[in-house]
Amino acid sequence: DVKVTQSSRYLVKRTGEKVFLECVQDMDHENMFWYRQDPGLGLRLIYFSYDVKMKEKGDIPEGYSVSREKKERFSLILESASTNQTSMYLCASSFRQGSLDEQFFGPGTRLTVL
Amino acid sequence: ILNVEQSPQSLHVQEGDSTNFTCSFPSSNFYALHWYRWETAKSPEALFVMTLNGDEKKKGRISATLNTKEGYSYLYIKGSQPEDSATYLCAFNYGQNFVFGPGTRLSVLP
Repeated sequence: DVKVTQSSRYLVKRTGEKVFLECVQDMDHENMFWYRQDPGLGLRLIYFSYDVKMKEKGDIPEGYSVSREKKERFSLILESASTNQTSMYLCASSFRQGSLDEQFFGPGTRLTVL
Repeated sequence: ILNVEQSPQSLHVQEGDSTNFTCSFPSSNFYALHWYRWETAKSPEALFVMTLNGDEKKKGRISATLNTKEGYSYLYIKGSQPEDSATYLCAFNYGQNFVFGPGTRLSVLP
């Protein structure tokens, strides 16, 4: 059964802290994505990766960085968390770029920055 | 910036009612249109992938249609049940990535 897991369901951090959100997929997918979901807005793409050690900026990369050292793992890093980064973060993966394949999502991490 | 819209934003129906909602997307650079269902506390799950103008897909009581020339897709739920309560997302696939709509939040009251 296809699975995307995220390290935490809920996370509370303080302004200025460094935050790591981890995502692991077990489907040998090439593509991995990080989104954030805010009320009234669609899922917005932060960063994506088409291969190990490759990363591309999405629509809202400011304040974030990512790391993909292994194919199955894609990490989202908030170097210095701010209150406007309070959001639901969703990780997703798909087989390959340019295909019709659906994206498979993790359960999400609800991050609160105080 | 590609824009995907969904309407209505939210919907409350009685059990047994049929309902439908809309996804509007750019009519150029079309690759595919995806529908997802996102239940509370769960991961979004794919319902349909639609690629051809005039496509119709069906899964149980849920069906979807696609018009790529005018840039819209409809999702229909026949005889809504409480377990249909969820947010329904559409995603415009332009070949490189997806652009998601804001979703339609459906509540089915018993």
